[in-house]
Amino acid sequence: EVQLVESGGGLVQPGGSLRLSCVASGFTLSGSAVHWVRQASGKGLEWVGRIRTKDNNYATVDAASVRGRFSISRDDSKNTAYLQMNSLKTEDTAVYFCGATTIPASRYYIDVWGRGTTVIVSS
Amino acid sequence: DIQLTQSPSFLSASVGDRVTITCRASQGIHNYLAWFQQKPGKAPKLLIYAASTLQSGVPSRFSGSGSGTEFTLTISTLQPEDFATYYCQQLNSYPQTFGQGTKVDIK
Repeated sequence: EVQLVESGGGLVQPGGSLRLSCVASGFTLSGSAVHWVRQASGKGLEWVGRIRTKDNNYATVDAASVRGRFSISRDDSKNTAYLQMNSLKTEDTAVYFCGATTIPASRYYIDVWGRGTTVIVSS
Repeated sequence: DIQLTQSPSFLSASVGDRVTITCRASQGIHNYLAWFQQKPGKAPKLLIYAASTLQSGVPSRFSGSGSGTEFTLTISTLQPEDFATYYCQQLNSYPQTFGQGTKVDIK
């Protein structure tokens, strides 16, 4: 079964850090772009950022709301992608989903999603 | 950033109804649009990509159309399992923004 599993969420104080992991099974993550999307409780979806494949130089792009604080990386040998979150703010509280693009298309449509991991930023 | 506005934000419908959701972009995005379905406590599920391409495994009662700035998602015959929130997402430029969502509820 093709799936993604996120981990690493939890309760952290404002200004703190967390690293989320996204592990793929049932497919090889190295061939896919990986996205992070978040959703605050009762709110809509917010795209956080994306990392491309090795062939595309692991290029990353992220949303202005997290730029300079969050970074995305990947370890293809572990079939895993990461979201490093620093200088966390209360407004970063959300469920964080990772997603992968396996569809051969001209854009990175997210067709595989994890179940999400919850991040709570509070003192 | 490109803004996506979905209408309506909420709709009540009955099983068997035809349902149409509109997504309007603040500027042209060609056909770089996806539609997702999300149920409470679950991850989004890709329904349509490239504005009108049905994702593998998605029932044919779902269809998408549009190009440029106006797009629609249609459910031809609403089924009980279709009650959920639907989001559009543009992939024309970064950041890849989502619409605010349309909740489809039982009438």
